[in-house]
Amino acid sequence: GDSVTQMEGPVTLSEEAFLTINCTYTATGYPSLFWYVQYPGEGLQLLLKATKADDKGSNKGFEATYRKETTSFHLEKGSVQVSDSAVYFCALSDLAQGGSEKLVFGKGTKLTVNP
Amino acid sequence: EADIYQTPRYLVIGTGKKITLECSQTMGHDKMYWYQQDPGMELHLIHYSYGVNSTEKGDLSSESTVSRIRTEHFPLTLESARPSHTSQYLCASRQGAYYGYTFGSGTRLTVV
Repeated sequence: GDSVTQMEGPVTLSEEAFLTINCTYTATGYPSLFWYVQYPGEGLQLLLKATKADDKGSNKGFEATYRKETTSFHLEKGSVQVSDSAVYFCALSDLAQGGSEKLVFGKGTKLTVNP
Repeated sequence: EADIYQTPRYLVIGTGKKITLECSQTMGHDKMYWYQQDPGMELHLIHYSYGVNSTEKGDLSSESTVSRIRTEHFPLTLESARPSHTSQYLCASRQGAYYGYTFGSGTRLTVV
């Protein structure tokens, strides 16, 4: 079945550091890919998405490129801020799964940014 | 601005009590989902619905039940709460296959 593997945390960075959170996936079809962010005490918010190969999703300084050849969707940000401290989830939606429209989530990566 | 609402945000309840977690959305989405999030952050799908009168069990076995009588409303019920039900419960809805989920703010349930 479909699966998402993202780097284990926690990740701790200093403010203005470069961020990469790795995400790779396994899917039988042509999935759409998503990054979600969860701030403390909140639900998940969609951060960015990409629906086909070579698409780049971007939002709030975060970027991720859909790489079909490496089955990856790594999240990057050039300069993190303390306010970026949160848990980040990579997810996929595979239309080939018999019409199932459930998202498959990775296990989450906790990011802490220190001033 | 949230278009999907969960109440209550926090609930502390005694063992054996019956509880209902409310979830409502104003976007007209047919597809709705309930996730249980453990302290290690991982999300587990426990129920989903593709529309009115449609409910399915998710990947994680749960003693809870759901109903979908109206498009906008997808409540989750525990008939007899136990300490093992202590968790965060997240409700979500979805417009279609190329769209992500919209999540509510969650209900943090503690059973004592």
